[in-house]
Amino acid sequence: EVQVVESGGGLVKPGGSLRLSCAASGFTFSSYSMNWVRQAPGKGLEWVSSISSSSSYIYYADSVKGRFTISRDNAKNSLYLQMNSLRAEDSAVYYCARVEGNTASAGSGYWGQGTLVTVSS
Amino acid sequence: QSVLTQPPSASGTPGQRVTISCSGSSSNIGSNYVYWYQQVPGTAPKLLIYKNNQRPSGVPDRFSGSKSGTSASLAISGLRSEDEADYYCAAWDDSLSGVVFGGGTKLTVL
Repeated sequence: EVQVVESGGGLVKPGGSLRLSCAASGFTFSSYSMNWVRQAPGKGLEWVSSISSSSSYIYYADSVKGRFTISRDNAKNSLYLQMNSLRAEDSAVYYCARVEGNTASAGSGYWGQGTLVTVSS
Repeated sequence: QSVLTQPPSASGTPGQRVTISCSGSSSNIGSNYVYWYQQVPGTAPKLLIYKNNQRPSGVPDRFSGSKSGTSASLAISGLRSEDEADYYCAAWDDSLSGVVFGGGTKLTVL
């Protein structure tokens, strides 16, 4: 069974840092691109970042570029999101999702349950 | 303001057919596949339609997608109470080099 499980969320002060992790199982992780998508409370979905299977291609939303870094460790079947210089508007549930097909795709067939990040003093 | 434009709400009675529109531009819908997601509040999004009009296994054929030019639509026929959820369209945007989502449409089954 395909599973992706996020962890690492929590409460952090503005300007602080947090590292999210996503553990994948039930599929050949090294063959798939992965996405991070977030959803602020009561708001819609917002794409954050994408990474190709071999990390050759990485994309970021303008809202996080220069502050967030996506990475992966295929040997550990894990995806990461390093978040620095956090702002109140980064508060959201962060989802890890498997991309179906090319990295440049909006298709994510499997999503985790999300991890909540709250940025507040 | 979302790059893809959806109506904020839609409604219908059980058994009815409803459609949800999604409007974009040449850099996203006009040149890439459209995907639709269903999200029941408090749960993760679920892929409903991929590559404009394909249904993943397990998605009822009551759900169908279409695309024309820079617009797309999701149709739900034989509306059921369990269809009450938020629906999002999404596409890759070549100009932004990223995924763009619609603002979401809240479907109410009356």
